[in-house]
Amino acid sequence: AQTVTQSQPEMSVQEAETVTLSCTYDTSESDYYLFWYKQPPSRQMILVIRQEAYKQQNATENRFSVNFQKAAKSFSLKISDSQLGDAAMYFCAYILVAPLVFGKGTRLSVIA
Amino acid sequence: SQTIHQWPATLVQPVGSPLSLECTVEGTSNPNLYWYRQAAGRGLQLLFYSVGIGQISSEVPQNLSASRPQDRQFILSSKKLLLSDSGFYLCAWSAGQGSYEQYFGPGTRLTVT
Repeated sequence: AQTVTQSQPEMSVQEAETVTLSCTYDTSESDYYLFWYKQPPSRQMILVIRQEAYKQQNATENRFSVNFQKAAKSFSLKISDSQLGDAAMYFCAYILVAPLVFGKGTRLSVIA
Repeated sequence: SQTIHQWPATLVQPVGSPLSLECTVEGTSNPNLYWYRQAAGRGLQLLFYSVGIGQISSEVPQNLSASRPQDRQFILSSKKLLLSDSGFYLCAWSAGQGSYEQYFGPGTRLTVT
């Protein structure tokens, strides 16, 4: 079965600085999708960024970018120019054809 | 654009009482629909998913059930709530074949007392 591991339960970053959240996954498949979701205090899950495994180019969405290392099965999220509104739980997720498999999340605090 | 609604937003129910949570999606047809539960400080646990009307797959055996009476309506139910049913319930949709990202509703906070 596929698993997703987020090894950092909590992280903190100074406002305007850069932070990287780690995610590793286990799969024997070659074509799949990876996502990062953000869950702010309101608790609604918000899709931040997606990555197709067949694409070598790392996905980017404004201040959010990923470092996708397929051979290492690693999918980290980099947040640049951190803002107070980035404070949230961040979940890494994997999907092949079955429903999403989520990691346990990383709580990110942003320090003013 | 597509939107997803959940209600109620908050619910406090006694042990042994019934439950009905509703989720509706607007702006899309034949979506895949999902129910997740998130216990305090925990990740998401998939409860049910549906690829079409009347088609429900259960991921975790429990005293909850799900139904999809209409294309864009997904209902989570229980005949008798347990204390362990407390949590945050999230409904999500995806566009189906060829599209894998899921979009979540605002959630329902359920407290069983």
